[in-house]
Amino acid sequence: DTGVSQDPRHKITKRGQNVTFRCDPISEHNRLYWYRQTLGQGPEFLTYFQNEAQLEKSRLLSDRFSAERPKGSFSTLEIQRTEQGDSAMYLCASSLGQSLYEQYFGPGTRLTVT
Amino acid sequence: AQSVTQLGSHVSVSEGALVLLRCNYSSSVPPYLFWYVQYPNQGLQLLLKYTTGATLVKGINGFEAEFKKSETSFHLTKPSAHMSDAAEYFCAVSGMNRDDKIIFGKGTRLHILP
Repeated sequence: DTGVSQDPRHKITKRGQNVTFRCDPISEHNRLYWYRQTLGQGPEFLTYFQNEAQLEKSRLLSDRFSAERPKGSFSTLEIQRTEQGDSAMYLCASSLGQSLYEQYFGPGTRLTVT
Repeated sequence: AQSVTQLGSHVSVSEGALVLLRCNYSSSVPPYLFWYVQYPNQGLQLLLKYTTGATLVKGINGFEAEFKKSETSFHLTKPSAHMSDAAEYFCAVSGMNRDDKIIFGKGTRLHILP
């Protein structure tokens, strides 16, 4: 399978705990995006990388959120001191380049904060 | 700033009937426009996209969309609905610089009636 993969697929955590999600993009894709999707909403942009450089962060990305793509391949999204409002589906996508190119989405990580 | 409005959070059509999902966009620059589909428990999949050139765009699974600049619309159609078309559909527009993130609408859930 050469698509975008995400791990874990589901995560249940208690409020205040830290969580980390991983995204493995399609190997030749240099752009990697993170989105958050809540029930009844479309994906909301969080951040994106061009290779290892983080080029933009949404205002949705509070100080408790941090994303990395250390070698320009896989990426991690960490949420510190989780809150119930962080419960959502976290989607990762990758593309060959700018928005002209199709973004390929992974299956997502569903986070539930209790 | 770019934005997308999808009219109707739920649309029901009979099997074999015309599918019409409405999307209006706002963009200060000539937009790139997209339709994505999301099946239950799966990631988003690109149906079709408009970048430049022909305003009638054909996509996968028999779907097509027409870019109408004067109406700032990009409605999605399919002549004959199939049960397998039941899913959530997202219209999206590229970001300010056409070179970065994609901004999604809230989605329209399509129900197919037997």
